[in-house]
Amino acid sequence: EAQVTQNPRYLITVTGKKLTVTCSQNMNHEYMSWYRQDPGLGLRQIYYSMNVEVTDKGDVPEGYKVSRKEKRNFPLILESPSPNQTSLYFCASSTRDRGGYGYTFGSGTRLTVV
Amino acid sequence: AQSVTQPDIHITVSEGASLELRCNYSYGATPYLFWYVQSPGQGLQLLLKYFSGDTLVQGIKGFEAEFKRSQSSFNLRKPSVHWSDAAEYFCAVGATGTASKLTFGTGTRLQVTL
Repeated sequence: EAQVTQNPRYLITVTGKKLTVTCSQNMNHEYMSWYRQDPGLGLRQIYYSMNVEVTDKGDVPEGYKVSRKEKRNFPLILESPSPNQTSLYFCASSTRDRGGYGYTFGSGTRLTVV
Repeated sequence: AQSVTQPDIHITVSEGASLELRCNYSYGATPYLFWYVQSPGQGLQLLLKYFSGDTLVQGIKGFEAEFKRSQSSFNLRKPSVHWSDAAEYFCAVGATGTASKLTFGTGTRLQVTL
């Protein structure tokens, strides 16, 4: 089944403790992206990647890191999480082919930083 | 920079009634436009997309949207709403040439009364 898989689904952590949220897609998509969703703010793009080793900042990149060493994986790293990073996070992937353009989303990771 | 406005935060309709959700975008050229739906506790599912050509786009679940360049709008419609359509709906705009950067609106929550 074609899908974007995020882990974990739920995570509670303490301020300052480094964490990684993994994201993997099995559709051989070139594009991958991370979004955070907050009430009243919709989805805001954190980082995106157009291909292996090609990443760029989205609208809210502060406090986050990403890497794209393999085409299928795009982990999100919070090196020193803070309470304002408590949010619902989505990973998404898309082909760059025009006819298939449009992100496929994972099921989300609900992160709480205390 | 591209942006999306969804002016209605919350809409309530009766089952069987027609539905129109508003979306206005800001982008200098012809954009890529999308509608996504998010059911409670779920990820986002692509309803439909517009790239070019016919301005009336058909999607899944009986939804359609019309691109109106003169009004910078991409409103979502459904002739007869079902109770299962209750969800949050997001409009998104993607820039041509940088297809990986997708900007979302803040969403419209649809409530369906029986």
